[in-house]
Order: sequence, then C-alpha cells, then structure tokens
Amino acid sequence: GNSVTQMEGPVTLSEEAFLTINCTYTATGYPSLFWYVQYPGEGLQLLLKATKADDKGSNKGFEATYRKETTSFHLEKGSVQVSDSAVYFCALTPSNTGKLIFGQGTTLQVKP
Amino acid sequence: DTAVSQTPKYLVTQMGNDKSIKCEQNLGHDTMYWYKQDSKKFLKIMFSYNNKELIINETVPNRFSPKSPDKAHLNLHINSLELGDSAVYFCASSQDVALGGVYGYTFGSGTRLTVV
Repeated sequence: GNSVTQMEGPVTLSEEAFLTINCTYTATGYPSLFWYVQYPGEGLQLLLKATKADDKGSNKGFEATYRKETTSFHLEKGSVQVSDSAVYFCALTPSNTGKLIFGQGTTLQVKP
Repeated sequence: DTAVSQTPKYLVTQMGNDKSIKCEQNLGHDTMYWYKQDSKKFLKIMFSYNNKELIINETVPNRFSPKSPDKAHLNLHINSLELGDSAVYFCASSQDVALGGVYGYTFGSGTRLTVV
C-alpha cells in the first residue's frame, strides 16, 4: 500500500540551527511528494513539492530532494527562525489517484 | 481573495445532533476533498468529488454525507453526532485529479468540531 513515515516529534531547536525532518515513503508507481506546513490555529499550506526522482523542491529556505533509491524526501533548512515553529507534514499522491496521503506530522519548536 | 473558505470555523454541539459544514473555492478547480484531522494531528481523506461526482469515499460511517451542488462547493453533513466525531475538518481543492499530483492541493483553514 501507500504510506508516509515521518520522524517523531517534537523537534526543539535554537534559532539559526540546522533543521532536518526525515520522511520516507512506500508507494506503487511514481508518486508526487509534498511538504505541507500548519502554523498554530491555521490550515495547511503547501511548502514545497517534487514530482519525479531527483527533483529538488525549495521554498522559503526549505529544501527537499526526491530520492527514489532510498524512498525518502527529507526536509532541510540551514538556519531556522522562531517563525518556523509549526507542524510539518510530508505527503504523497500516488499517480493519478487524486488522494493525498499524509505522514503523522512533526512538530517543530524554535526557541530564541 | 482566491481561496478555499469553510464555515463555520468553530462548531460546538451536543451528541445526537445533525450539523453541516460548508466549503467553497473560487480557484476554478475541478476537484474538492474533505479531510479529518484527529487530536494527534493525523490527517486522513474522507471524500473527494470531481466536477460534482463522488470519486473517493474512504471507510467513513454513513452518518457522514457529502454534497456537491456545483464544482465550486462541497458541503459535509453529519447526522447523529458522536463524541468521536470531534476533530478538525479540512476542505481542500486541486485543479483536477491528475494535476493535484503536480501542483498540490489548496486547503481551507478548517472547522473545529467539538461534540459534547
């Protein structure tokens, strides 16, 4: 079946620290991969995406590379800010299914 | 503003009641979805409509009935509410079924349903 596994949170970092949130997936075919972010009390916003192997998605200093050989899509940021504190969701859509499948979410807390 | 908008934002109701949540998108998208987020933040798809036609119906109790009067609207009606229905319900849309996988989904800000 199709599934997404993220590292357990919460992740607590100091401002300007390096961030990695691990994400691995299981899927048939060639899924598209996404990272969504949910700020406190808000809906989900698309952070970045990649639609094929070796694609790198990037936005707001965040990056993730679609690695088919390791079935991974790890989220990274070189220097986090307090305003990055949120819940981050890794997700995939199996080819042409119209279904977005989420990981369990990872809470990031950035302290000044 | 172009967006996916849901109403109400908060809904507190008693067990056994019937309630509806409304969703509208003005993005011109063909496909709309309902997702449920539980207390642990886990998100699971409930339903999907493409051009007013139901295309995904996950194993959701039949107390939940979606309705799409046109492709810009997708409402969720819940009968005989139970304590376990308490959650945040998100509406979302995508350009179409296939392009959702290319451009992603746009989510509404959610409806927090509390059943007491």
